[in-house]
Amino acid sequence: DAGVIQSPRHEVTEMGQEVTLRCKPISGHDYLFWYRQTMMRGLELLIYFNNNVPIDDSGMPEDRFSAKMPNASFSTLKIQPSEPRDSAVYFCASRPTGAYGYTFGSGTRLTVV
Amino acid sequence: EDKVVQSPLSLVVHEGDTVTLNCSYEVTNFRSLLWYKQEKKAPTFLFMLTSSGIEKKSGRLSSILDKKELSSILNITATQTGDSAIYLCAGKGGSNYKLTFGKGTLLTVNP
Repeated sequence: DAGVIQSPRHEVTEMGQEVTLRCKPISGHDYLFWYRQTMMRGLELLIYFNNNVPIDDSGMPEDRFSAKMPNASFSTLKIQPSEPRDSAVYFCASRPTGAYGYTFGSGTRLTVV
Repeated sequence: EDKVVQSPLSLVVHEGDTVTLNCSYEVTNFRSLLWYKQEKKAPTFLFMLTSSGIEKKSGRLSSILDKKELSSILNITATQTGDSAIYLCAGKGGSNYKLTFGKGTLLTVNP
């Protein structure tokens, strides 16, 4: 079991550029979550999917953020255009139906300069 | 909106000390409370609590839930430098699968 795999591990980009973060959940997990972590706000849920369908995107901060899950083994979180305040660690997590905890990926540390 | 508050935000102790971390929650249709440990990377699962008054224990760590007070504590006895981490508390409601996290407690254990 390779766990939840995120890429890239680190991303530094200039303000205004498009950023795409990637996630491969654990095989068989039908829930996928995107979280953002900052010192000020802690871990915040951005969006989650069930069986590749977005269920709750109320945490997506604004229209610059979008997420997709084209199949059970891949999801993306896109920020376009990026801003310095988007700098954070973005975590992807997955879980199977009926389980209690998530398994988190190692995160993508995004820095927007 | 669901809310989870942890205290203290940070704590510095010496090896061998016992620490208690606090978590209070306001979660609609509350079902369970989870504790995670986050070192350098991803949070890793510690405990899930669903019933009041029943202690969960794993080695030197233990946790208990008080549904009347809408709170939980995480105790660590005989702390070691390897316990240094951010400890996160999260509440889960019954209507969906999302976890609402607190901001965490940064524990530093000095030798």
